[in-house]
Amino acid sequence: KNEVEQSPQNLTAQEGEFITINCSYSVGISALHWLQQHPGGGIVSLFMLSSGKKKHGRLIATINIQEKHSSLHITASHPRDSAVYICAVIGNEKLTFGTGTRLTIIP
Amino acid sequence: EAGVVQSPRYKIIEKKQPVAFWCNPISGHNTLYWYRQNLGQGPELLIRYENEEAVDDSQLPKDRFSAERLKGVDSTLKIQPAELGDSAVYLCASSSAGLEHGIQYFGAGTRLSVL
Repeated sequence: KNEVEQSPQNLTAQEGEFITINCSYSVGISALHWLQQHPGGGIVSLFMLSSGKKKHGRLIATINIQEKHSSLHITASHPRDSAVYICAVIGNEKLTFGTGTRLTIIP
Repeated sequence: EAGVVQSPRYKIIEKKQPVAFWCNPISGHNTLYWYRQNLGQGPELLIRYENEEAVDDSQLPKDRFSAERLKGVDSTLKIQPAELGDSAVYLCASSSAGLEHGIQYFGAGTRLSVL
């Protein structure tokens, strides 16, 4: 079992839909990253959080340390949000990545 | 301000040949990371530097991989000799505040194909 599990692996939705991507982890962590990777492109850090909730534009990230779970939400999704979203956790001075969720938003 | 710069963007080599990748982090970023990303997988840390010191190289295959960060700025990652299974994207990232506190900024990566 991977230390960081993401669900779903693939998600296709219509433009405008509310999107939720989940990340569960099995180790104690000090912080969690949400990253975005476009096809053929580099990785962009969206959020780094260790508790509660953070919001940036249409993106919201939440984390529940007790339940070892984080979610990334996208409101009013747009085709340009199509990308792979990766969750990564920091624990024991290591950064461990999930395998990503491939999101496709259809116009 | 320029982001993390990596070169080359693409490299195709035959197996058993050597290859080197170069990374220039964001100015002032003390922490530098090298990752390997296989197709359909998340990145995997190879080595992390704090300034010129390699503080975590536990996942670097030291029989064929080496890295250096002379003067604590630019870094190179080398593979010698390359094997077919080394085909992947090699990503460099940097941050200003260390693993626990710093947002990481990624370069565009070097896509290596070993034939």
